[in-house]
Amino acid sequence: KNEVEQSPQNLTAQEGEFITINCSYSVGISALHWLQQHPGGGIVSLFMLSSGKKKHGRLIATINIQEKHSSLHITASHPRDSAVYICAYDPNTGNQFYFGTGTSLTVIP
Amino acid sequence: NAGVMQNPRHLVRRRGQEARLRCSPMKGHSHVYWYRQLPEEGLKFMVYLQKENIIDESGMPKERFSAEFPKEGPSILRIQQVVRGDSAAYFCASSGYYGYTFGSGTRLTVV
Repeated sequence: KNEVEQSPQNLTAQEGEFITINCSYSVGISALHWLQQHPGGGIVSLFMLSSGKKKHGRLIATINIQEKHSSLHITASHPRDSAVYICAYDPNTGNQFYFGTGTSLTVIP
Repeated sequence: NAGVMQNPRHLVRRRGQEARLRCSPMKGHSHVYWYRQLPEEGLKFMVYLQKENIIDESGMPKERFSAEFPKEGPSILRIQQVVRGDSAAYFCASSGYYGYTFGSGTRLTVV
């Protein structure tokens, strides 16, 4: 059983829409990461969160430690945002990440 | 600072051959992690190494797979006698004070 659940699995949006991707996890963590993977491409780390909220450009990530839930928001979405977005957590060991299966986002012009 | 460098980007091997995947961590990073992404599946941890030490290899298949991170040079993930099921994207990451950085991956195709 994957201990990280992401929703939705697939998401199609019109350019300019506000997008939310959700991530729920079931264990105590030291940090949660949001990653971006373009088709055939490498992985880019977007955010590392242990509490609260972080913003970078049009991307906003929030985490609620008590509810074991995080969200990634994209404002004014653009076709270049089309990618797979993955949440991953570090279970306090520092040894490895556990990954969600990803949300595949397609932004249509 | 070139980031985490993985090579080759694409690797094609025939069944039974050996595959060697290389990962050079970010400058100043001494921790290396290998992950595998099978087609249509999420990323899975394989192994965590520090210089000359394997710290956690709980995600490594028991046979044919090995990893090293020598004192000098890149980390190597070695797959002996490859089979079609080894076809996947293999990602390396390194960590240091400022966090975690992923490489672009090596896509292994076994034909």
